Amino acid sequence: QKEVEQNSGPLSVPEGAIASLNCTYSDRGSQSFFWYRQYSGKSPELIMSIYSNGDKEDGRFTAQLNKASQYVSLLIRDSQPSDSATYLCAVNSNTGNQFYFGTGTSLTVIP
Amino acid sequence: GAGVSQSPSNKVTEKGKDVELRCDPISGHTALYWYRQSLGQGLEFLIYFQGNSAPDKSGLPSDRFSAERTGGSVSTLTIQRTQQEDSAVYLCASSDRGNQPQHFGDGTRLSIL
Repeated sequence: QKEVEQNSGPLSVPEGAIASLNCTYSDRGSQSFFWYRQYSGKSPELIMSIYSNGDKEDGRFTAQLNKASQYVSLLIRDSQPSDSATYLCAVNSNTGNQFYFGTGTSLTVIP
Repeated sequence: GAGVSQSPSNKVTEKGKDVELRCDPISGHTALYWYRQSLGQGLEFLIYFQGNSAPDKSGLPSDRFSAERTGGSVSTLTIQRTQQEDSAVYLCASSDRGNQPQHFGDGTRLSIL
């Protein structure tokens, strides 16, 4: 079992819709969770951090964390074509020394 | 500097040559990571430095790969006797502490002919 699993997609949504990206993790001791956006040919860019159960909102982005179920999700409201990218979920290890990245979900927002 | 700086941005070399990739982390960041990303693939962890502690080398794919971090700042990833399968983008990231978000450099695109 991989440490972090994401649906590779591709996920396509129309412009203006809500995009929902999901991630599950195996290490129950993980404390820090992150979402990165990676445009083709570019390096990953941090877009959200979440550390506590519940929702965290930042503009059009909402991260949701459920430690009991070991999943973290990212909602993108009012999706724009510029949101088209690969979204990487990252989870820190129980020791906090290493991060595990999912393989990413490819999102395409259709104008 | 304002962000993580990596050099060179591109490197083309012949099979069998040694290469050195450099990473200059964000000032004050104690944690430094190296990853490798092949075309269309996810991030492959290579090595992690935290302050003056012994590095976590568990991701290095072979003994041809090594890395060092001098003075707790700049890091160099060295690949000896390069092979074609070493071709990838090598990404460096740094963070304030081990459990804080990582910030990535622009990467070095390595091509082995």
